[in-house]
Amino acid sequence: AQSVTQPDIHITVSEGASLELRCNYSYGATPYLFWYVQSPGQGLQLLLKYFSGDTLVQGIKGFEAEFKRSQSSFNLRKPSVHWSDAAEYFCAVAGGSYIPTFGRGTSLIVHP
Amino acid sequence: DAGVIQSPRHEVTEMGQEVTLRCKPISGHNSLFWYRQTMMRGLELLIYFNNNVPIDDSGMPEDRFSAKMPNASFSTLKIQPSEPRDSAVYFCASSRDRAAGNTIYFGEGSWLTVV
Repeated sequence: AQSVTQPDIHITVSEGASLELRCNYSYGATPYLFWYVQSPGQGLQLLLKYFSGDTLVQGIKGFEAEFKRSQSSFNLRKPSVHWSDAAEYFCAVAGGSYIPTFGRGTSLIVHP
Repeated sequence: DAGVIQSPRHEVTEMGQEVTLRCKPISGHNSLFWYRQTMMRGLELLIYFNNNVPIDDSGMPEDRFSAKMPNASFSTLKIQPSEPRDSAVYFCASSRDRAAGNTIYFGEGSWLTVV
């Protein structure tokens, strides 16, 4: 079985500060890992995904994520947050099942 | 290319009424998903179709819910009769094929309120 844990329900940062959103997964082999973003009133949009190879993955909007097998983690980072980054962020894992399992999400609040 | 198109975007209905949500997946995609999002339960997969055939409907909450995909470009999710606890955002999503690493593209959702 595959599962995802996003330990932080809410994260508050100041505009211009760095950001790290945590994601831990459970799956026996190398998984496919995703980060999606959901802006208010919108559907989910893919930020980035990891299949294999380089463990540091670059995505859209200046985001990156690092796969760490030893920690079963796939944390999302951004060096400088913009007010428009305020949204809900979802981590997802797909392994033996081609249907991804989504985490509960982390709500990002950006203070001016 | 157009994204996943859902209708209606918003629906308010009375308890006991039938609700039909519609979805047009991205052209060329042969996998279609219906998800439900609520504050309490997060994002739940209701049903998954591949090549118009329901593959996994284990997430459909009860017999009041049904989904169809009569062709590659159209799917419906029906709730009959609707109940207040069905109030949620319902997302349709599609992907190119069954591979685990494929990106899933989401529609903007249908916001359902049952009063």
